[in-house]
Amino acid sequence: GAVVSQHPSRVICKSGTSVKIECRSLDFQATTMFWYRQFPKQSLMLMATSNEGSKATYEQGVEKDKFLINHASLTLSTLTVTSAHPEDSSFYICSASASTDTQYFGPGTRLTVL
Amino acid sequence: SQELEQSPQSLIVQEGKNLTINCTSSKTLYGLYWYKQKYGEGLIFLMMLQKGGEEKSHEKITAKLDEKKQQSSLHITASQPSHAGIYLCGADERSQGNLIFGKGTKLSVKP
Repeated sequence: GAVVSQHPSRVICKSGTSVKIECRSLDFQATTMFWYRQFPKQSLMLMATSNEGSKATYEQGVEKDKFLINHASLTLSTLTVTSAHPEDSSFYICSASASTDTQYFGPGTRLTVL
Repeated sequence: SQELEQSPQSLIVQEGKNLTINCTSSKTLYGLYWYKQKYGEGLIFLMMLQKGGEEKSHEKITAKLDEKKQQSSLHITASQPSHAGIYLCGADERSQGNLIFGKGTKLSVKP
């Protein structure tokens, strides 16, 4: 099946710093990538949808200036958590889709903000 | 590592019919989630099950987790075209703290 990677798998940073998470589709071209954050009891919550070459569409309540998403190519999307605070600590997962049918999930990135 | 098997892979039903989607784990499930994906959109959270024997319902969708916490089913009653999409089960992987997913079930509802 299609493979999606995320880097880094774990990151610890100080409060106030910015962290960039990469999501790559390794063996297919992803026209759409989705970014999720894990919340207790609901597990995944969609943060934003990004299409290659255009601005990401953010879900209600997600600060676009805080969670910067770039989808510069058909195989790479990045999520930058700017001025991270402890409440941003979470598990972030991306998924990639080459069509409208199937999403392939990355392994996730565990972010801890001290 | 833990794996989730979903069945069937795809399903076509006539509007008004009932249907069931299954999600089976090789290990005990500590948190089982059901999501729905509409074509071209992100996942929508449906329900979470944690306790053996637990059952939850929302509108015409009912999810159950068996007593052994290794199998979950999603049942849709009187299906409608709006139920069409891909249903995905997910689970907490205790050993690494990650989420794992089944491969999804594509549901089509014929009017």
